[in-house]
Amino acid sequence: GAGVSQSPSNKVTEKGKDVELRCDPISGHTALYWYRQSLGQGLEFLIYFQGNSAPDKSGLPSDRFSAERTGGSVSTLTIQRTQQEDSAVYLCASSSSSGGSSDTQYFGPGTRLTVL
Amino acid sequence: GIQVEQSPPDLILQEGANSTLRCNFSDSVNNLQWFHQNPWGQLINLFYIPSGTKQNGRLSATTVATERYSLLYISSSQTTDSGVYFCAVEPWGNEKLTFGTGTRLTIIP
Repeated sequence: GAGVSQSPSNKVTEKGKDVELRCDPISGHTALYWYRQSLGQGLEFLIYFQGNSAPDKSGLPSDRFSAERTGGSVSTLTIQRTQQEDSAVYLCASSSSSGGSSDTQYFGPGTRLTVL
Repeated sequence: GIQVEQSPPDLILQEGANSTLRCNFSDSVNNLQWFHQNPWGQLINLFYIPSGTKQNGRLSATTVATERYSLLYISSSQTTDSGVYFCAVEPWGNEKLTFGTGTRLTIIP
């Protein structure tokens, strides 16, 4: 079946612009995660959505970052007033885990963001 | 937070060789996954293995949860095995993965 998809695959933007990154999780998965992979920082957690519960935003690096998940499916990660240090690959994952139980997280191909 | 250490950081092997990659973690976990990140950056699930042993073809993994480590075995390496291998753990009550720094594996023909 279809895996996790992300768009765009690449995004180049100018410093100070806003960007939106999209994630389509695996159908039926209630859990959705955003991570980012940057040089020198490795892979780090950003935000976690589980069903209709309030998201866990504990990994967001600043208030310029926000995310929403509409209808329990598609998610959008928004970065406002982008900075050069935001350049990274943004990865989305989904899982069938249901709060308190764990299951495999499946990752999308990522969006490579470059801020000039 | 939980610490995840992987060793070795880099490994260069001849095609056909066997290898063992190690992941140590500092606290009890609810989830442990091994991933292969291919040259295009895609993270591919290898194993979901919070405890016990699993095998999939030339790959196998063992997690000893009580001693807080996991091992990934690759036998009869092929050039397509090259890439970075990540271990990631999910502590109990904390439903997000913490990644290790990875092992970069290079298989030489």
